[in-house]
Amino acid sequence: DAEITQSPRHKITETGRQVTLACHQTWNHNNMFWYRQDLGHGLRLIHYSYGVHDTNKGEVSDGYSVSRSNTEDLPLTLESAASSQTSVYFCASSESPGGYEAFFGQGTRLTVV
Amino acid sequence: QKEVEQNSGPLSVPEGAIASLNCTYSDRVSQSFFWYRQYSGKSPELIMSIYSNGDKEDGRFTAQLNKASQYVSLLIRDSQPSDSATYLCAVRGSGAGSYQLTFGKGTKLSVIP
Repeated sequence: DAEITQSPRHKITETGRQVTLACHQTWNHNNMFWYRQDLGHGLRLIHYSYGVHDTNKGEVSDGYSVSRSNTEDLPLTLESAASSQTSVYFCASSESPGGYEAFFGQGTRLTVV
Repeated sequence: QKEVEQNSGPLSVPEGAIASLNCTYSDRVSQSFFWYRQYSGKSPELIMSIYSNGDKEDGRFTAQLNKASQYVSLLIRDSQPSDSATYLCAVRGSGAGSYQLTFGKGTKLSVIP
């Protein structure tokens, strides 16, 4: 079955380190998204991509970057991790054109100490 | 800034009752609306999508959309304890090439046996 997987599921890192969270989908979806979820804020969009070599900033993009070199993967990089980036991160994908439903990965719980 | 508002709850209903979850959105030209269910510690799971004014039924779930009032609702009939979760309302961005979703903060539903 097609799916979307995130790795690692849990990560503890130190302030100032660079961290990359992986997202891989086998649906061949063009659209991929990264969200973070925090108590009191819900899901907030970090970055998104509508296809290979396309990336766009979302609502809370400062301190994060993404790159899209193929259809299947959209890694999220924290350039210099900060305690404010402790959160649960979700990757999602949807097909285009036409399919607006987004499907989510299992999530990555990141703790910055 | 597009906004999606939900009552955070918790909403408590007895088993077998109808649970009614509500959502309002600020972007008048939004066209696509979604309800996700999220169990504690899990990722959001799509349960309903609705694109036209009126009702859409799927099993025990009914989504209702009123674009004039900028209002979306989800009814869960014959509520079961397994329906206890946080329900997220999501709205697709307006514009032909816009696929990202804006989420409300979610309503926590508790179904009491």
